[in-house]
Amino acid sequence: DAGVIQSPRHEVTEMGQEVTLRCKPISGHNSLFWYRQTMMRGLELLIYFNNNVPIDDSGMPEDRFSAKMPNASFSTLKIQPSEPRDSAVYFCASTTTPGGGELFFGEGSRLTVL
Amino acid sequence: KQEVTQIPAALSVPEGENLVLNCSFTDSAIYNLQWFRQDPGKGLTSLLLIQSSQREQTSGRLNASLDKSSGRSTLYIAASQPGDSATYLCAVLMTTDSWGKLQFGAGTQVVVTP
Repeated sequence: DAGVIQSPRHEVTEMGQEVTLRCKPISGHNSLFWYRQTMMRGLELLIYFNNNVPIDDSGMPEDRFSAKMPNASFSTLKIQPSEPRDSAVYFCASTTTPGGGELFFGEGSRLTVL
Repeated sequence: KQEVTQIPAALSVPEGENLVLNCSFTDSAIYNLQWFRQDPGKGLTSLLLIQSSQREQTSGRLNASLDKSSGRSTLYIAASQPGDSATYLCAVLMTTDSWGKLQFGAGTQVVVTP
């Protein structure tokens, strides 16, 4: 398996623009997580899905952030409008649940908002 | 609220020495604990997963122990090599979060000098 695939790997945009990050989980995994990592705050869980259904989005910073999982093999995280403080590395991860299996991460999408 | 702490934040050792990395958690009601490795600019890679009923797990030069009652886990890396240089994170899954929502520590940055 190719692992968790994220795109784009790097994104530079200007404040106010819309940003869409994409994720393809590992085939057969039924849980998907979006994390954000910064030097100041470490890893923060934004939202997670189980069987394509959002379970907990309490980590989403504000209404400018939204996430969807239209099917088992694809998810998006959208920021509209983007702000400089959104600059971070955004990770997608997947696993099988329930059962607390290993969590597999993608390589991340590094976002810079100017 | 579960708090996961990793001390020290950074560690430097000469090649060949054994590495000892510590992880502590405040709530012992955990389902499992995972150790991850993160290389610069990369995602997290799962190293070892210890279920709450286990005392330790081993993989090659890596050994992780778990003492739930004292809220501690230790990752041992035998005969360290420069290639072991990375940030190591631990994460716990609470029994109340069977969906797989992990609580991460801030990580220990390890440098192994040749």
